[in-house]
Amino acid sequence: NFMLTQPHSVSDFPGRTATISCTRSSGSIASTYVQWYQQRPGSAPTTLIYENNQRPSGVPDRFSGSIDRSSNSASLTISGLKTDDEADYYCQSYDINNHAWVFGGGTKLTV
Amino acid sequence: VQLLESGGGLVQPGGSLRVSCAASGFTFTNYAMNWVRQAPGKGLEWVSVIRDSGDSTYYADSVKGRFTISRDNSKNTVYLQMNNLRVEDTAVYYCAKWSLAAAGAFGYFEYWGQGTLVTVSS
Repeated sequence: NFMLTQPHSVSDFPGRTATISCTRSSGSIASTYVQWYQQRPGSAPTTLIYENNQRPSGVPDRFSGSIDRSSNSASLTISGLKTDDEADYYCQSYDINNHAWVFGGGTKLTV
Repeated sequence: VQLLESGGGLVQPGGSLRVSCAASGFTFTNYAMNWVRQAPGKGLEWVSVIRDSGDSTYYADSVKGRFTISRDNSKNTVYLQMNNLRVEDTAVYYCAKWSLAAAGAFGYFEYWGQGTLVTVSS
């Protein structure tokens, strides 16, 4: 089993760029794809990024994803921050050995 | 795509409950379906998945042996039967469509319902 660790909170100003990290505790971050989900208060999650860096149709290109093998982590970058981006963000990956889907603990973004 | 959960409510510890998810707006028989839960004020936790045909299922360790996922492709509905419920099972239960027929290393939680609240308390 592995865990995905995210910072509890991130904050920045409108127009700036925020980055949220997601560090895998064991095994390579590159071994299975990483997804990112946004959850606004009182709402269900929605998909922002899949397969490390792919955006579903309708997701603005202000949102981008990447992985870094050296730090064994994934990152979600949000450029041109808007107050509407205030939400919880979750990373997620797949545990091949246990056939289970793992979520990070979530990061609260304040703009 | 619409996913409409129902069946949540208050149940005593040790009790049982079945939640349902009625799907529409896509070809239900072509996709795996999941249940993901969120305890009050906490993060997301994957619970269970069933593939398109219904003949393959997987569970989180926390619910294995107590919960059963099933689907009725004639009714476009997926179910989660929850037995021997514990206080720590209290959560909003979300139904989530997988992007492929079988859930595994490929694909992602493509669409989510609005959830149904299950409260386990005496």
